[in-house]
Amino acid sequence: QVQLVESGGGVVQPGRSLRLSCAASGFTFSNYGINWVRQAPGKGLEWVAVVSYDGRHKYYADSVKGRFTISRDNSKTTLHLQMNGLRPEDTALYYCARDSGPYSSGWVGADFWGQGTLVTVSS
Amino acid sequence: EIVLTQSPDFQSGTPKEKVTITCRASQNIGSSLHWYQQKPNQSPKLLIKYASQSISGVPSRFSGSGSGTEFTLTINSLEAEDAATYYCQQCNSVPFTFGPGTKVDIK
Repeated sequence: QVQLVESGGGVVQPGRSLRLSCAASGFTFSNYGINWVRQAPGKGLEWVAVVSYDGRHKYYADSVKGRFTISRDNSKTTLHLQMNGLRPEDTALYYCARDSGPYSSGWVGADFWGQGTLVTVSS
Repeated sequence: EIVLTQSPDFQSGTPKEKVTITCRASQNIGSSLHWYQQKPNQSPKLLIKYASQSISGVPSRFSGSGSGTEFTLTINSLEAEDAATYYCQQCNSVPFTFGPGTKVDIK
């Protein structure tokens, strides 16, 4: 069955960096775009970034553009989110979520989600 | 950036009642609108994609309609397990924004 497992969250000081990972299994990873979506404590969902199935296309929310970098390693069926210059407002549960259809880049909605990894930015 | 608004913010319904949630987009997004359900302490679940396309495994009491700037999620015959927050998301253009959510409670 499809599984997405996030890791790498933790407590970090403002301005520091963190790298999240999402390990995928149960499907042909290289055929699907993958998204990062976050949710601040007690708040709604915020789309963060997406990478296309082949890694060629990457899109970001304005709030993270220039600070976060999404990448994927299809040989290891793993997605990453490199987060630099972290701010308190980046505190959230970060989900990775698979596109609901193959060969897309976020346009088709996300049908499988991980359980999330919590990032806390605080001094 | 396309802004989505949802109404109401909160809705309380009784079992078997019909519930309607509206999502409005700040510009024309065609049918590029998806609906999600998120229960407390769970990850979101895709309910409807492209405004009205059903998703395998989702109960048939959930349906979607609309196009352009106004969309509706309908829950026919509300059940206790439908207590959740419902979000719309536009995927017409980057960034793929979400609506603020509508919390549905069961009386």
